[in-house]
Amino acid sequence: AQSVTQLGSHVSVSEGALVLLRCNYSSSVPPYLFWYVQYPNQGLQLLLKYTTGATLVKGINGFEAEFKKSETSFHLTKPSAHMSDAAEYFCAVRGQGAQKLVFGQGTRLTINP
Amino acid sequence: DTAVSQTPKYLVTQMGNDKSIKCEQNLGHDTMYWYKQDSKKFLKIMFSYNNKELIINETVPNRFSPKSPDKAHLNLHINSLELGDSAVYFCASSRLRGGDTEAFFGQGTRLTVV
Repeated sequence: AQSVTQLGSHVSVSEGALVLLRCNYSSSVPPYLFWYVQYPNQGLQLLLKYTTGATLVKGINGFEAEFKKSETSFHLTKPSAHMSDAAEYFCAVRGQGAQKLVFGQGTRLTINP
Repeated sequence: DTAVSQTPKYLVTQMGNDKSIKCEQNLGHDTMYWYKQDSKKFLKIMFSYNNKELIINETVPNRFSPKSPDKAHLNLHINSLELGDSAVYFCASSRLRGGDTEAFFGQGTRLTVV
């Protein structure tokens, strides 16, 4: 079985500051890991994913995440926040051979001018 | 060229009514899903179909009945709507296996039961 915990339901940063959204997962099989973003009244858009290979993955809009097996983490970062980054962010896990994505509870990112 | 499209985008209806939400994907994926997002933004899978066959059926009231006429379509029919059914329903599709494993989501259907 898989599960995801996102630490912090709401994160607020200043424009230009580092963004760090935390995600820890639990999986009994090697995981595939994903970050999705949801803008208001929109569907979910894939930011980045880890399947195999390089543990540091780069995504769209300047985001990246690092898979750390020893820490069972997949934290999302962006060096410099932009006002347009304000949205809800979801971490998700899918075990290899599993049939569904399991989502964390989401983190609302607010950017202060 | 919308990859996953669902209709309608908004649905307001009275308690006790029956309604359907339609979903179509043009990505050639073999698996489609319905997710429910509640008022706290929590996303939970409801159903999944692979090649028109039901493969996931989470604990969902049997008032909810999915139907997949072909691999590109997955519709959701809801009978006897209740206030608690109010939510945003997302359709998604993916390949079941292989490296291309992310799910692509539709824009959502916001269902309001009054």
